[in-house]
Amino acid sequence: GAVVSQHPSRVICKSGTSVKIECRSLDFQATTMFWYRQFPKQSLMLMATSNEGSKATYEQGVEKDKFLINHASLTLSTLTVTSAHPEDSSFYICSARDLRAFDIGNEQFFGPGTRLTVL
Amino acid sequence: KNQVEQSPQSLIILEGKNCTLQCNYTVSPFSNLRWYKQDTGRGPVSLTIMTFSENTKSNGRYTATLDADTKQSSLHITASQLSDSASYICVVSAGPGYALNFGKGTSLLVTP
Repeated sequence: GAVVSQHPSRVICKSGTSVKIECRSLDFQATTMFWYRQFPKQSLMLMATSNEGSKATYEQGVEKDKFLINHASLTLSTLTVTSAHPEDSSFYICSARDLRAFDIGNEQFFGPGTRLTVL
Repeated sequence: KNQVEQSPQSLIILEGKNCTLQCNYTVSPFSNLRWYKQDTGRGPVSLTIMTFSENTKSNGRYTATLDADTKQSSLHITASQLSDSASYICVVSAGPGYALNFGKGTSLLVTP
């Protein structure tokens, strides 16, 4: 099956620093990748949709200057949390959609998530 | 507003017992409905996917049902195991170009 990886799996940083999270599709090409945020006991909240070679589309209320997204290739998207603050501490999950999505129900494959803790 | 409501919010069962989780949705248009299993600190993993014309779909001990008329789905887990302890999320898709609609999940704990 399709595999999506994230790196790092866990990161702790000081307030004011920037953190980069990578999302890779390992065995398929993804024209579209999605970034989600999940707080404890809550559902996944879509932050932004990342399309290869173009600017990301951000959901309402998500600061694009704070959460920088780059989708440089068909297998890699990065999320950079700039000037992180304790309230940015959360579980960040990416997903990727296969180029053949229309044949397999438009499915998104999720990464294992990155736990960010800002001190 | 498109919504996905899951019940119960949490559930505790004994190992070996069966359980059924519920999902009601108001998403329109409707393309497909998926059940995911999310272990603590991990990303969601797909269990089943059903389109409008499918009433039931099985994956091992997991059986999902869909009533597209009443916009209800259920996930039945048979002969539960300790490893079934996780959050089960119902996700409804309106189709390509639409964002996925996530339920808040049902937290299942299977005890010895």
